[in-house]
Formats: sequence, C-alpha cells, structure tokens
Amino acid sequence: DGGITQSPKYLFRKEGQNVTLSCEQNLNHDAMYWYRQDPGQGLRLIYYSQIVNDFQKGDIAEGYSVSREKKESFPLTVTSAQKNPTAFYLCASREQGFGNQPQHFGDGTRLSIL
Amino acid sequence: GQQLNQSPQSMFIQEGEDVSMNCTSSSIFNTWLWYKQDPGEGPVLLIALYKAGELTSNGRLTAQFGITRKDSFLNISASIPSDVGIYFCAQGAQKLVFGQGTRLTINP
Repeated sequence: DGGITQSPKYLFRKEGQNVTLSCEQNLNHDAMYWYRQDPGQGLRLIYYSQIVNDFQKGDIAEGYSVSREKKESFPLTVTSAQKNPTAFYLCASREQGFGNQPQHFGDGTRLSIL
Repeated sequence: GQQLNQSPQSMFIQEGEDVSMNCTSSSIFNTWLWYKQDPGEGPVLLIALYKAGELTSNGRLTAQFGITRKDSFLNISASIPSDVGIYFCAQGAQKLVFGQGTRLTINP
C-alpha cells in the first residue's frame, strides 16, 4: 500500500532525553513536513523539507531537529531543549511540481513525558 | 502573519441534519483545503479548492472557495454517525496554515 507511516504510535520521554520520531513515505513525494498538534488546536509547522539534504524551519522549530538523508524518510528528533514536548506529532508529504498539490498525512505519534 | 478563523468551534446536531462551517483568512491564498481528523489519527483530505468561486462536491460534502479569496465554506448534508470528528480548513501548499478546527458531535 502507498502511504505515510509514522512510528511509534506512542512514545514516552524522560526528562533530559532526546527522542526520535520516524516518518517514512513510499509515495515518491519530494516534500515532507512535521507538525505539532496540541489538544483542541490546529496544526503548527515544525520543519519541512523540499528536497533531499535540505530542510527549513517552520513556525515552532526551537527544541527540534530533523534530517533528510533519503527521499522517503524524514525523522524528527525532539531534544531536551524542548521544554513542553507532550503533543501529537504529524508527518505529511506532498508532490511538488504539479501546481498546488495538497499535503497528505500519516497517523501520528503521541509523545508523553514520564 | 497569516491567520485563519474557523467557526463554529463545535457543533452538536441530530443525525440527518445538515452542517455548515466556514473559515476566513487575513490573507489571500490560491488554495483552500478541508481535512477531517478522527481521534488519534492524522487528518484526511476531503476537498481541495484552487479557484475563487469554485464549488466542489465529494459525496455529501460540498465546499466553496469564496469570491473574495479570503473565505471558504464546507457543508455536509444529511449527517450520519461516521461524520463525527474534527474538521479543519487550511490554506497554502508548501506551508499550510490551519484553522482551529470544528468539532462535530452527532446525536443519534
């Protein structure tokens, strides 16, 4: 099946620990995105990448890091510098080059603090 | 920065009723998107709009791109229990800006 796979579904972090969330897509999309969703709110952009080995900060990048070594993978690391990491994290991808193609989302990872 | 105001924030309706929600923007963009999110899952694209005045349907769902290019409407006709969820509007393509969402609850 073609789609966007996020893992794990649930993740727990201890104080001072870095954790990495996985996002893999087999849609051959060039662009990938990470969003954060807090309860009762919309999605806010953390980082995005339009091409391999390149990425840009979104609106709330502080305390997060990403890499884009492969077209199909865009992992997000939540660092210990992120003081309020508890949230629902969503990964998305999009086909570029054919007008304003919409973004499609994975099923999310819920991160909680122990 | 760009802001989207989505209303209403929540709706409580009877099964079979029609639903209407809308979004307004502080900026003009070329794309309006409507997504639905079920609990614990990612948003699923319902309808994409690309031209001012465009009216598009997807089954019982109908959405319109406002003439001013600063607003959009989503209507659901004859609601059923599986319509329950949170509906989000969004603008943009490379960088999406989302509304706060409309939570739809249906009484059987």
